[in-house]
Amino acid sequence: QQQVKQSPQSLIVQKGGISIINCAYENTAFDYFPWYQQFPGKGPALLIAIRPDVSEKKEGRFTISFNKSAKQFSLHIMDSQPGDSATYFCAALVDQAGTALIFGKGTTLSVSS
Amino acid sequence: DVKVTQSSRYLVKRTGEKVFLECVQDMDHENMFWYRQDPGLGLRLIYFSYDVKMKEKGDIPEGYSVSREKKERFSLILESASTNQTSMYLCASSLRVAQYFGPGTRLTVL
Repeated sequence: QQQVKQSPQSLIVQKGGISIINCAYENTAFDYFPWYQQFPGKGPALLIAIRPDVSEKKEGRFTISFNKSAKQFSLHIMDSQPGDSATYFCAALVDQAGTALIFGKGTTLSVSS
Repeated sequence: DVKVTQSSRYLVKRTGEKVFLECVQDMDHENMFWYRQDPGLGLRLIYFSYDVKMKEKGDIPEGYSVSREKKERFSLILESASTNQTSMYLCASSLRVAQYFGPGTRLTVL
């Protein structure tokens, strides 16, 4: 019940295309859903996050779509660029003291030029 | 900007050695975390701490211990390193929900 399932494991997208990464969860107590971006040799960096009271959040070319009833959320990268090539992790958290993020297994995105 | 630093980027140790990985954050964050990252397995939580001298086991605590004597510093200890502990180790800190990661330590145990 604590798992976050992420798909696909890897993704190849043409420059200018839309990249879509999906995550699913079981624990309905989760109330914070971030996405992290990791470049080779670096630690993960917070990209964008959403709370379950909204269905969508957009920051630049990055959008989170959230479906509370389906217990799913996804990251959309519009106009994908070669510089977006990285590993992306979804995560979930119960926002209370003494808890930690539960991460998906990651998606390696390659944007070809 | 939040800064999380880890004592080494690369470390090579022998089987059976005691290994210390140090993490320091400069933002007065209450919470600190240790993860290991392996290909295909994502980030797995080893231990975390939500206050000085407090620690909580994560998903894979076996073979590890931690120490948090000061708020800004969180140490991961491999009591007797084994080859299956070869991995990337990531430290993170948070005030509430947003976790900030260090650059990682790539540990190789021979």
